[in-house]
Amino acid sequence: DVKVTQSSRYLVKRTGEKVFLECVQDMDHENMFWYRQDPGLGLRLIYFSYDVKMKEKGDIPEGYSVSREKKERFSLILESASTNQTSMYLCASSPNRGGGNTDTQYFGPGTRLTVL
Amino acid sequence: GQQVMQIPQYQHVQEGEDFTTYCNSSTTLSNIQWYKQRPGGHPVFLIQLVKSGEVKKQKRLTFQFGEAKKNSSLHITATQTTDVGTYFCAYGQNFVFGPGTRLSVLP
Repeated sequence: DVKVTQSSRYLVKRTGEKVFLECVQDMDHENMFWYRQDPGLGLRLIYFSYDVKMKEKGDIPEGYSVSREKKERFSLILESASTNQTSMYLCASSPNRGGGNTDTQYFGPGTRLTVL
Repeated sequence: GQQVMQIPQYQHVQEGEDFTTYCNSSTTLSNIQWYKQRPGGHPVFLIQLVKSGEVKKQKRLTFQFGEAKKNSSLHITATQTTDVGTYFCAYGQNFVFGPGTRLSVLP
């Protein structure tokens, strides 16, 4: 079974702190994604990566950065946390089928981040 | 840009009733996927539709992709309390998600 793990289920930080959210997948997937989920807004894509050291902006990248130094690990960084970044953060991975074909995503359990 | 809407936003049904959620796009979709997220859980993949007019079934769940590939539906026959959750459609190579339909099933 594919396993996607996230470093924390719950996290509380203060405004202005630098926050690292870690995601690890064990299925050698090429693609990894970071979403935030807020009531009434569904899942919104923050950043994604198709390969090591590659990153692409999603719909809402402002205030976030990412790092992918190893294939299995995709980190989301909040350089200076703000209260409007309080949310549920979900990481996902998927294999790359090539040819523009999509494949299923496998999600981690999520990290509920509260910024005070 | 491309936008996907899901209707209804919320649906409350009595156990045993049927339920349908619709995903509508302003432009043609290359494919569409459906996910289910239980309360407190994370999205779990249900199915992918690729062909125009495609219909797939999983037990009590029926998925359909429109002829024009601009809309899709998920129909649940005789709902059960285990069907409770939010159903999302997603599309595209970058997995853009619709806003979801939250289903409540009253026993």
